[in-house]
Amino acid sequence: QVQLVQSGAEVKKPGSSVKVSCKASGGTFSSYTISWVRQAPGQGLEWMGRIIPILGIANYAQKFQGRVTITADKSTSTAYMELSSLRSEDTAVYYCARVQEAVVGFDYWGQGTLVTVSS
Amino acid sequence: DIVMTQTPLSLSVTPGQPASISCKSSQSLLHSDGKTYLYWYLQKPGQSPQLLIYEVSSRFSGVPDRFSGSGSGTDFTLKISRVEAEDVGVYYCMQGIHLLWTFGQGTKVEIK
Repeated sequence: QVQLVQSGAEVKKPGSSVKVSCKASGGTFSSYTISWVRQAPGQGLEWMGRIIPILGIANYAQKFQGRVTITADKSTSTAYMELSSLRSEDTAVYYCARVQEAVVGFDYWGQGTLVTVSS
Repeated sequence: DIVMTQTPLSLSVTPGQPASISCKSSQSLLHSDGKTYLYWYLQKPGQSPQLLIYEVSSRFSGVPDRFSGSGSGTDFTLKISRVEAEDVGVYYCMQGIHLLWTFGQGTKVEIK
């Protein structure tokens, strides 16, 4: 049974960074990609980027280029999303989601991690 | 980036009645491999999104057959044949043909 378990809620100051983890179990970590999707309060879903663990290659949405870094540790089946230069507009729930076959899309999602940016 | 536009943005439906959501993409989602990379997700209140439909019309495992998807190219539709109380939430279409994936704005479905 596939599970994506994310790290807990964070409260950060403007200008700082946050790193959220997503630990996968079930399935073979290197056989799929992990994306990060965020949802600001009362807003829709926004794709941020993905990591291809077997290659160590990441792609990022233009909006987040230069501020987001997505990585993966194959030894622990864990993906990470680090967002820097935080501002209040980055307050959101951050989800990780798995893609095993691109045509199927996100078949499993993490439970979400609330990141609050406040002075 | 490919822009995904959903209509309507909200829908109030009587239980047992049908519902339909439209999704239009700014570019064709038909890939050279013959597949169309269009998905539908449902986010129930307080939950993570869940996959309903992939490749336009294929229901994901466990999704009731009252949900159906159709369309081609740039125009797509999600239909619920008979809405039930458990179907409330926000429905999103998403494209996966471009390297950088994008969602529609979401359509909120509520029960009358």
